[in-house]
Amino acid sequence: KNQVEQSPQSLIILEGKNCTLQCNYTVSPFSNLRWYKQDTGRGPVSLTIMTFSENTKSNGRYTATLDADTKQSSLHITASQLSDSASYICVVSAYNNAGNMLTFGGGTRLMVKP
Amino acid sequence: EAQVTQNPRYLITVTGKKLTVTCSQNMNHEYMSWYRQDPGLGLRQIYYSMNVEVTDKGDVPEGYKVSRKEKRNFPLILESPSPNQTSLYFCASSLAAYNEQFFGPGTRLTVL
Repeated sequence: KNQVEQSPQSLIILEGKNCTLQCNYTVSPFSNLRWYKQDTGRGPVSLTIMTFSENTKSNGRYTATLDADTKQSSLHITASQLSDSASYICVVSAYNNAGNMLTFGGGTRLMVKP
Repeated sequence: EAQVTQNPRYLITVTGKKLTVTCSQNMNHEYMSWYRQDPGLGLRQIYYSMNVEVTDKGDVPEGYKVSRKEKRNFPLILESPSPNQTSLYFCASSLAAYNEQFFGPGTRLTVL
């Protein structure tokens, strides 16, 4: 069964500090992996997409990495800001006969404190 | 403006009273999907649609129906709502399943 597990479930950091969120998956055959940011009460918004051949991708202060061999991804946030307080969701896409299927991680809830 | 719209945004209803949550997108996307989000459980897919007249069950389809008669609309129907369907619902669309999904603003449903 395809699964995506994220850790930690929640995290509290001080403003200006860095943090790293983890995503482990057992999705096959792998198509791509996306990180979404979801502000409280709002719909998720895509931050980055990683395909099989990509190791690192940045979007401003967000840097995602992918190790396709170990089936792990991380999202690193640099110099955190209060506006980074949100849930971060890892979504993995897999191919099958019907097309692409999506598997969602449970998310990491990040709180940035002043 | 490219967007996904949902209506209503908030709804309080009673057990057994049929309701429909509408979802519409103006980006000519083929893939549309419904999710529910409950505290501690993350996003769970209810139904999805690869294209017009093509719908499939997601992880938690029980108690829900959908239809895709035209590309832009993907309504979610609760024929006989129950309190365990109290949740935050999101509609999303994308060019294809593996593309970036654009989410609607959410519908907060309470079933008494």
